[in-house]
Amino acid sequence: DAGVIQSPRHEVTEMGQEVTLRCKPISGHDYLFWYRQTMMRGLELLIYFNNNVPIDDSGMPEDRFSAKMPNASFSTLKIQPSEPRDSAVYFCASKSTSGSSYNEQFFGPGTRLTVL
Amino acid sequence: AQKVTQAQTEISVVEKEDVTLDCVYETRDTTYYLFWYKQPPSGELVFLIRRNSFDEQNEISGRYSWNFQKSTSSFNFTITASQVVDSAVYFCALSVRDNYGQNFVFGPGTRLSVLP
Repeated sequence: DAGVIQSPRHEVTEMGQEVTLRCKPISGHDYLFWYRQTMMRGLELLIYFNNNVPIDDSGMPEDRFSAKMPNASFSTLKIQPSEPRDSAVYFCASKSTSGSSYNEQFFGPGTRLTVL
Repeated sequence: AQKVTQAQTEISVVEKEDVTLDCVYETRDTTYYLFWYKQPPSGELVFLIRRNSFDEQNEISGRYSWNFQKSTSSFNFTITASQVVDSAVYFCALSVRDNYGQNFVFGPGTRLSVLP
């Protein structure tokens, strides 16, 4: 398996623009997580899905952030409008609740977002 | 609520020294999982180990070893004969089954610098 795939790897945009981050989880995994990492706040869980259904979005900072998972192989995290304080590395992770790697989260390489 | 504390923000050692990274967790659940992840300078998050709450056996993997003690709610990580390539940020994490299904909490991380 190719692992969790995220795109783009780097994104530079201007304040006010819409940003869409994409994630393809590992095939067969039933959970998908979006995290944000900054120097000040460390790794923060933004939202997670189970079987494509959003379960807990309490970590989403504000209404400018939205996430969708239209099918088991694709998820997006959208920021509209973006602000400089959204600059961070955004990680996507997936996990399976069966098999030998039960409960281990596999992380994607991250998307480094810079909002100017 | 769940919480993970990594009291050591930064540690510097000289190559070949042993180093222990501390992790203390809080949870009221009796079933939970503990993890260590490594984040090297390249930025990806690399899984190191998973331990469930019913298995208090210590584990050794090469130069890495983990000491899980439920009595003190600690899950410490020791690197023996450290190497420069061990330089990274190390995260301890806790996963419990919450009302929705799963909850995953990361500690703030410990930045380890191994000097040649």
